[in-house]
Amino acid sequence: LAKTTQPISMDSYEGQEVNITCSHNNIATNDYITWYQQFPSQGPRFIIQGYKTKVTNEVASLFIPADRKSSTLSLPRVSLSDTAVYYCLVETGNQFYFGTGTSLTVIP
Amino acid sequence: KAGVTQTPRYLIKTRGQQVTLSCSPISGHRSVSWYQQTPGQGLQFLFEYFSETQRNKGNFPGRFSGRQFSNSRSEMNVSTLELGDSALYLCASSLEFSGSSYEQYFGPGTRLTVT
Repeated sequence: LAKTTQPISMDSYEGQEVNITCSHNNIATNDYITWYQQFPSQGPRFIIQGYKTKVTNEVASLFIPADRKSSTLSLPRVSLSDTAVYYCLVETGNQFYFGTGTSLTVIP
Repeated sequence: KAGVTQTPRYLIKTRGQQVTLSCSPISGHRSVSWYQQTPGQGLQFLFEYFSETQRNKGNFPGRFSGRQFSNSRSEMNVSTLELGDSALYLCASSLEFSGSSYEQYFGPGTRLTVT
């Protein structure tokens, strides 16, 4: 059973880089880690996905260390509109495990 | 293109009743997954369907069931409702099934309240 944990909340000033870590155990070498953003009264929205090393897209980067016991979502230069709850999702053993969610508040 | 749609958006039911929720995936998507979201338990995986077959199932009692039709639309059913079933039920669709690189697109959810 994979258990995924995240910090409950984080605050950041506008324009700063934010790193949110997800801890997960018992995941296999090729298990994917996905990050989602959720605003109130909406479904989660895909941010980024990967299974090893580093992945970057136009909005974020995902870092996965060699031991794969954690992953870090990096949001460069956050803005007020990035205030939301961020979830990691691990697919392992034909099951999907969402993290506990991190509520990010961006301060002007 | 149109996103994932879920109907109804809000539902109020009484303990002991049953309920059916519907999900229409993005056109061309063949995989549909269902999740339950509650303040206490967070987001929990219910089941996943691909090409009308249930591929994966989460740790929920048999009162929770689902199906997928040939047009990829999916329904989930909860029988003998309990107060603890009050939650936001989210549906997500993707091109491929789990186990390969994929991106899940979520609908807005159905808010179920059991009284």
